[in-house]
Amino acid sequence: KQEVTQIPAALSVPEGENLVLNCSFTDSAIYNLQWFRQDPGKGLTSLLLIQSSQREQTSGRLNASLDKSSGRSTLYIAASQPGDSATYLCAGGGNTGTASKLTFGTGTRLQVTL
Amino acid sequence: NAGVTQTPKFQVLKTGQSMTLQCAQDMNHNSMYWYRQDPGMGLRLIYYSASEGTTDKGEVPNGYNVSRLNKREFSLRLESAAPSQTSVYFCASSPQVRREKLFFGSGTQLSVL
Repeated sequence: KQEVTQIPAALSVPEGENLVLNCSFTDSAIYNLQWFRQDPGKGLTSLLLIQSSQREQTSGRLNASLDKSSGRSTLYIAASQPGDSATYLCAGGGNTGTASKLTFGTGTRLQVTL
Repeated sequence: NAGVTQTPKFQVLKTGQSMTLQCAQDMNHNSMYWYRQDPGMGLRLIYYSASEGTTDKGEVPNGYNVSRLNKREFSLRLESAAPSQTSVYFCASSPQVRREKLFFGSGTQLSVL
């Protein structure tokens, strides 16, 4: 059974800092890996989706990488801004499953301070 | 630009009461999902519908039923609510089941007393 872990649970950084959020998974036969953002009281917004055949995806100041052999994914946020403050979740899709079989981590709560 | 719409946003039930959570998407997506989010446990899949006319159990289906009413709408029913079903419920959709990003609604906060 796939297990997804995100450490740390919370992170506070000053504005302008580059930062890395970590996600680890136990089953390397992963189908894809998605990073989501969740604002308080809101739903999740998909940020980046990495297919198993890919190693990274980029969108603006965000870059996500996937290393299946080590069971790790990272989300890199460049030049952080207060508006980046949110909870970031990663989710892995099982190889024999579907997008519906996403296994979610519990998230990293990010606060970017002025 | 509605995306995925869930109703209601908040609900309080007494143990044993029933209710239906409604979800509709306007993106012509084939697949729809219901998740619950509990503190410290991440999101867990309750049921999903890969396409209109099909539904399948997810990780935590006990105590729930679903109906894919048409391509747009996917409802979640609690027949006899229990305190363990206190949670935040999210509906999501994707163009197809595999390989696609999920789009989430804003959630329903349910309390069962």
